Amino acid sequence: SQTIHQWPATLVQPVGSPLSLECTVEGTSNPNLYWYRQAAGRGLQLLFYSVGIGQISSEVPQNLSASRPQDRQFILSSKKLLLSDSGFYLCAWGRGAAYEQYFGPGTRLTVT
Amino acid sequence: GNSVTQMEGPVTLSEEAFLTINCTYTATGYPSLFWYVQYPGEGLQLLLKATKADDKGSNKGFEATYRKETTSFHLEKGSVQVSDSAVYFCALAPMTTDSWGKLQFGAGTQVVVTP
Repeated sequence: SQTIHQWPATLVQPVGSPLSLECTVEGTSNPNLYWYRQAAGRGLQLLFYSVGIGQISSEVPQNLSASRPQDRQFILSSKKLLLSDSGFYLCAWGRGAAYEQYFGPGTRLTVT
Repeated sequence: GNSVTQMEGPVTLSEEAFLTINCTYTATGYPSLFWYVQYPGEGLQLLLKATKADDKGSNKGFEATYRKETTSFHLEKGSVQVSDSAVYFCALAPMTTDSWGKLQFGAGTQVVVTP
């Protein structure tokens, strides 16, 4: 069966510091990968998606970036965090005829 | 464009009550439809799905029927439990070649079940 991991689970970082969040998927190959942010409240905002190694598409302009160095690894980064980057970051993988997505447990980021 | 509209919450109800969460969508063609559930502090879990008109998705006592004529995918459960307290998201996948599997989510509906 497939599993998706995210780490760290929680993170507190000062403004201006760098960020690296990691997501890995097991039990499948060549998945589509997605990064979402969920700010206070409930809405989900798609940040990046990737359909293959080295292929990254950005949905919104921001100071975040994403990379996919391996087939089942997806990394979210920032060089300098802003207060507005605080939120709950979710990674998801998807594949299949119905395009359903499966989510990781999330990373709670607080920028102070 | 594609969009999903859900009823606003919170929806508060007593244990064993009947739950309905309305979801309507706008999309071209024949999207796949999903319901996800998010418990506090956790990621989203796929609750059920439907891929074509008149399909009924079901799981854990929850059901939703894909209604093409009314562009709706309402979630129902006959008898809720306190453990069903969560945020529920309706979503669609456009199923077009340029969609890259991206989902369009509704805003989410918080459900609170009291003993």
